[in-house]
Amino acid sequence: GNSVTQMEGPVTLSEEAFLTINCTYTATGYPSLFWYVQYPGEGLQLLLKATKADDKGSNKGFEATYRKETTSFHLEKGSVQVSDSAVYFCALSVVGGSQGNLIFGKGTKLSVKP
Amino acid sequence: NAGVTQTPKFQVLKTGQSMTLQCAQDMNHNSMYWYRQDPGMGLRLIYYSASEGTTDKGEVPNGYNVSRLNKREFSLRLESAAPSQTSVYFCASTSGSSSGANVLTFGAGSRLTVL
Repeated sequence: GNSVTQMEGPVTLSEEAFLTINCTYTATGYPSLFWYVQYPGEGLQLLLKATKADDKGSNKGFEATYRKETTSFHLEKGSVQVSDSAVYFCALSVVGGSQGNLIFGKGTKLSVKP
Repeated sequence: NAGVTQTPKFQVLKTGQSMTLQCAQDMNHNSMYWYRQDPGMGLRLIYYSASEGTTDKGEVPNGYNVSRLNKREFSLRLESAAPSQTSVYFCASTSGSSSGANVLTFGAGSRLTVL
């Protein structure tokens, strides 16, 4: 079946450090891949997405590349800020899939210290 | 734009009580969803409605019922609340295109505690 596995947290970094959050997936067909972010006390919001192999999604200094050969969609940022502290969710969507079409990983909590 | 609006934001129930969580979206989206979020479990889909007039079970439907009242509104009902239903509930919606690249818009969440 379809699934998403992302690295467990929490992840604690100092400001300006490099961030990587690993995400791998299993899917039948050709999924679209997403990163959502949840700031404290809020709902999830889309951070970036990629819809086909080798696509790079980017937003707010975050990037992720759709790697079909390694079934991965790792999230990276070169220099994190305190305001990036949040929970990050990797997700996939399969055309015609069940379960409402979107499957989430369990989330990775990031804390950035000044 | 309001986006997705959920009410109430907070609720405390006693075991066995019933309640309804309300959700409304103003983006003319076709598909709507209810998720629950528990520590270490990520988001789990309870029910979804691919279009007005249809509803389907998700991963964890037991103990819940839903109603797609019209295109805008999708409510979640707990008929007899249990402590295991203590959670944060999120409503979401999307245009529901067939491309698979559907971006969900989430509400701010409803925190439910069942004593």
